[in-house]
Amino acid sequence: AQRVTQPEKLLSVFKGAPVELKCNYSYSGSPELFWYVQYSRQRLQLLLRHISRESIKGFTADLNKGETSFHLKKPFAQEEDSAMYYCALLDNYGQNFVFGPGTRLSVLP
Amino acid sequence: GAGVSQSPRYKVAKRGQDVALRCDPISGHVSLFWYQQALGQGPEFLTYFQNEAQLDKSGLPSDRFFAERPEGSVSTLKIQRTQQEDSAVYLCASSLERGRVGAFGSGTRLTVV
Repeated sequence: AQRVTQPEKLLSVFKGAPVELKCNYSYSGSPELFWYVQYSRQRLQLLLRHISRESIKGFTADLNKGETSFHLKKPFAQEEDSAMYYCALLDNYGQNFVFGPGTRLSVLP
Repeated sequence: GAGVSQSPRYKVAKRGQDVALRCDPISGHVSLFWYQQALGQGPEFLTYFQNEAQLDKSGLPSDRFFAERPEGSVSTLKIQRTQQEDSAVYLCASSLERGRVGAFGSGTRLTVV
């Protein structure tokens, strides 16, 4: 069965520092990977998906099939980036959408 | 409506009580998902509907949990004889795309006392 792991429960960085939120997955097929974000008192929302190859709010993520990773990166963190971040995987049958446990990012002034 | 709407926002139930949680997806959205999110955890899949058909209910933790979407729009998640371990935020999500999670609701926070 597919599984998503996010090894860090909490990640604290200073404003302007680079940030990398780790995500690893276990799935033998060709999954689709996503990052979701939940700001304080707001609902969970899609940040980006790997097939779009887009940069949203300065964040990017590259799917590395060899390392089965989909780490989220931003070169210069901002205080407004403080939130919970969830990595998620969709299997290649399009039937199982699985979330990781989440990482709380705290950007310090 | 503009987004996925869930009601009630908060529900306190006595142990053993039955509860019903409602989800109004975005109009026209084919896919509807229910997730359970315990404190400090990521959302855990419960069940998935494509229109009115419940295609996957493998995540429902016990036969006390039941979900329906009879007309392919509004969905209800029912929990019978609630237990303390059922305390969690129950999230609903809908999407135009089959099988893909799109917009989330704000969730219903269920507390069983």
